[in-house]
Amino acid sequence: QQQVRQSPQSLTVWEGETAILNCSYEDSTFDYFPWYHQFPGESPALLIAIRPVSNKKEDGRFTIFFNKREKKFSLHIADSQPGDSATYFCAASADYGNEKITFGAGTKLTIKP
Amino acid sequence: EAAVTQSPRNKVAVTGGKVTLSCNQTNNHNNMYWYRQDTGHGLRLIHYSYGAGSTEKGDIPDGYKASRPSQENFSLILELATPSQTSVYFCASGDTGGSQNTLYFGAGTRLSVL
Repeated sequence: QQQVRQSPQSLTVWEGETAILNCSYEDSTFDYFPWYHQFPGESPALLIAIRPVSNKKEDGRFTIFFNKREKKFSLHIADSQPGDSATYFCAASADYGNEKITFGAGTKLTIKP
Repeated sequence: EAAVTQSPRNKVAVTGGKVTLSCNQTNNHNNMYWYRQDTGHGLRLIHYSYGAGSTEKGDIPDGYKASRPSQENFSLILELATPSQTSVYFCASGDTGGSQNTLYFGAGTRLSVL
């Protein structure tokens, strides 16, 4: 049973476009939603995260949109650059400081120049 | 910056053999995790720990044991390795202090079970 579902499995966009990666979850107790990215041959690293006290979190070109009612959240990458090409994982955990973090299956993003 | 070191980096094992993957962290985080990464499945949690002496089952614990003898060290043990356990294994440490729980990953261990 996958508690965090991610789509699409792969995505290709042109340089300068906005890439949109989607996730949904089932567990209503989840209250922390990070996104990690992983470049080829490297380890995953935290990119940006949100808590449901707000429905939007921005960090430069990266924005998380959160919809608590529908249990969905998405990562928007504006003005995509070839250097953004990587695999992106959404994740979720429950409670403030809960130790168990569950990841989605990942989206492989390719930015074409 | 957080430092998480895994050993070995690569391992070839035989079916039925015992495999131990080791992880050491130097940032004094309470929590440590073992994930495996497979194409199409992302990162799946095997075991995790709140601190020395504690181990908890993750989402796919069958066939794996874990040991946390100290704050710094967290091992993953495959008592009877099977080919289905061929994967890339990542250890991570994390601290729940503050407003977010950031995981710091090691470089990964590529395990092949023949």
